[in-house]
Amino acid sequence: EAGVVQSPRYKIIEKKQPVAFWCNPISGHNTLYWYLQNLGQGPELLIRYENEEAVDDSQLPKDRFSAERLKGVDSTLKIQPAELGDSAVYLCASSLGGGDSMNTEAFFGQGTRLTVV
Amino acid sequence: TQLLEQSPQFLSIQEGENLTVYCNSSSVFSSLQWYRQEPGEGPVLLVTVVTGGEVKKLKRLTFQFGDARKDSSLHITAAQPGDTGLYLCAGDRNTPLVFGKGTRLSVIA
Repeated sequence: EAGVVQSPRYKIIEKKQPVAFWCNPISGHNTLYWYLQNLGQGPELLIRYENEEAVDDSQLPKDRFSAERLKGVDSTLKIQPAELGDSAVYLCASSLGGGDSMNTEAFFGQGTRLTVV
Repeated sequence: TQLLEQSPQFLSIQEGENLTVYCNSSSVFSSLQWYRQEPGEGPVLLVTVVTGGEVKKLKRLTFQFGDARKDSSLHITAAQPGDTGLYLCAGDRNTPLVFGKGTRLSVIA
């Protein structure tokens, strides 16, 4: 079974340009996360979806970041316009979802490394 | 304020040594997960601990959940170069999974 798939793996853009990341979670996983990870740091949550509903987006900088999860499966994360400080790894993860603790176990994609120049 | 504090931040040891890393919080968690992340990859789940005082073993790795479910430790016996990586703990409080900043372990042959 395929794991969480993210694309692209790497992206280099000039500041003020738009960029989009795509994530295909594990089939059957209701919960989808987007995390940002700076070098040497732990992942920081940007947004969490339960099916197609964004249930926690308090950490998402809404002036420039947007996300969607149409039909509760694939998701895209967009930055427009990108700033130098947005350079980081953007990780997508999915989990089964639901009340059981084991259902929160997250499976991560390889991430997209964004460099803004 | 970081919800989960991991220590030490960095650890460099010789092959064959034992080590313990810690994950501490003032909050109670319904479960706590440990992940290992290698360069260029996403974190990979190692274990989930659910019950206060629970101990789980995964080969040379021993995970313990504190009695009060506020802290956890990871002990590695006879570390090997393949154990090198970023060890992350993540807490579940029926809210989005929250990660610590991690302990970066380097095991030198």
